Amino acid sequence: ETGVTQSPTHLIKTRGQQVTLRCSSQSGHNTVSWYQQALGQGPQFIFQYYREEENGRGNFPPRFSGLQFPNYSSELNVNALELDDSALYLCASSLPSLAGEAYEQYFGPGTRLTVT
Amino acid sequence: AQTVTQSQPEMSVQEAETVTLSCTYDTSESDYYLFWYKQPPSRQMILVIRQEAYKQQNATENRFSVNFQKAAKSFSLKISDSQLGDAAMYFCAYRSGAKHKIIFGKGTRLHILP
Repeated sequence: ETGVTQSPTHLIKTRGQQVTLRCSSQSGHNTVSWYQQALGQGPQFIFQYYREEENGRGNFPPRFSGLQFPNYSSELNVNALELDDSALYLCASSLPSLAGEAYEQYFGPGTRLTVT
Repeated sequence: AQTVTQSQPEMSVQEAETVTLSCTYDTSESDYYLFWYKQPPSRQMILVIRQEAYKQQNATENRFSVNFQKAAKSFSLKISDSQLGDAAMYFCAYRSGAKHKIIFGKGTRLHILP
């Protein structure tokens, strides 16, 4: 069984640039969630995708956007990068949430983004 | 809004001893799930244990167990027979039964002393 993978591992960008981070879901999982983890903090929910549509969003501005593809892989795009966007970005895949069930979210190793 | 609070930024325990990590949460919901995640230096977030709010019995996974006090909104993690590989950041987390996002605490860094 293939786990969740993310690319790239590390990335350095300049303020104002745009960045795309990628995530491949665990085999059989059709739901993917993205989290931002600032240094010394717990992860914060950005959004979730299910069947290629956004299915829940946290308190992040519209310059954070995403895509999910038919093979359930996903991208996180961030436009107009700001210094505060420097963080570890985690992707997690799972089976879809159903009432009364909380399927485990399997996390990838993350992409460390540094904005200078 | 739901919140998760971990009041111990760092803890240390001697190898083979027992340690308890504290967590409190705030919610007005009745249907929710609680989790403890481990994040070692490799950064991979790993689920340690989970608890459904509707279950009165405390969850147990090998050396890991929780003390779930629903009325007090407390959810502590006990690690028995601590091992060097247990050294990591531990995050307490909450998920509403009806929503998608997981809300994490700020974490507790656990050191294992040989």
